[in-house]
Amino acid sequence: GNSVTQMEGPVTLSEEAFLTINCTYTATGYPSLFWYVQYPGEGLQLLLKATKADDKGSNKGFEATYRKETTSFHLEKGSVQVSDSAVYFCALRGTGANNLFFGTGTRLTVIP
Amino acid sequence: GAGVSQSPSNKVTEKGKDVELRCDPISGHTALYWYRQSLGQGLEFLIYFQGNSAPDKSGLPSDRFSAERTGGSVSTLTIQRTQQEDSAVYLCASSWDSYNSPLHFGNGTRLTVT
Repeated sequence: GNSVTQMEGPVTLSEEAFLTINCTYTATGYPSLFWYVQYPGEGLQLLLKATKADDKGSNKGFEATYRKETTSFHLEKGSVQVSDSAVYFCALRGTGANNLFFGTGTRLTVIP
Repeated sequence: GAGVSQSPSNKVTEKGKDVELRCDPISGHTALYWYRQSLGQGLEFLIYFQGNSAPDKSGLPSDRFSAERTGGSVSTLTIQRTQQEDSAVYLCASSWDSYNSPLHFGNGTRLTVT
């Protein structure tokens, strides 16, 4: 079946630190992979996506590369800001599937 | 423009009562999803609507849960005879189609069953 395993939080970093949030997946076929972000008081919103192996999704300085060989889609940012404080969700849509499977979310807090 | 709107934002109900949660998707979005987020858990898929097709109900946890989508727009999630384990945040999302279009989420309804 389809599932997503995400790094547990919470994660606390100082401003300008390097961020990695790990995400691995299990899926049949060729899934599409996503990172969603939920800022305080807001609904989840798409951060970036990758639809095939070796694709790199990027947005707002965040990047994630679809690695089929390691079934991973780790989220990275070179220099985090206080405004990046949020909950980050890794998600997967299996081939031909209707729904997205989400990880449990990782809460990131960036301190000045 | 208007995003996905959910109401009520908070609902407290007594065990055994029925509740209805409402979702107004973004105008023109053909796909609509309901998810449930319990404390410390990921988002649990409940049900999916796409246009006029039969809904995918594979995620509904029991027959106490049902949902409908009238006129391809507004959706209502109904929970009958609520139990304490139903306490969670219920999230609605909509998208243009069912594959790689991003989901747009509402802020959710926090349901507390006492």
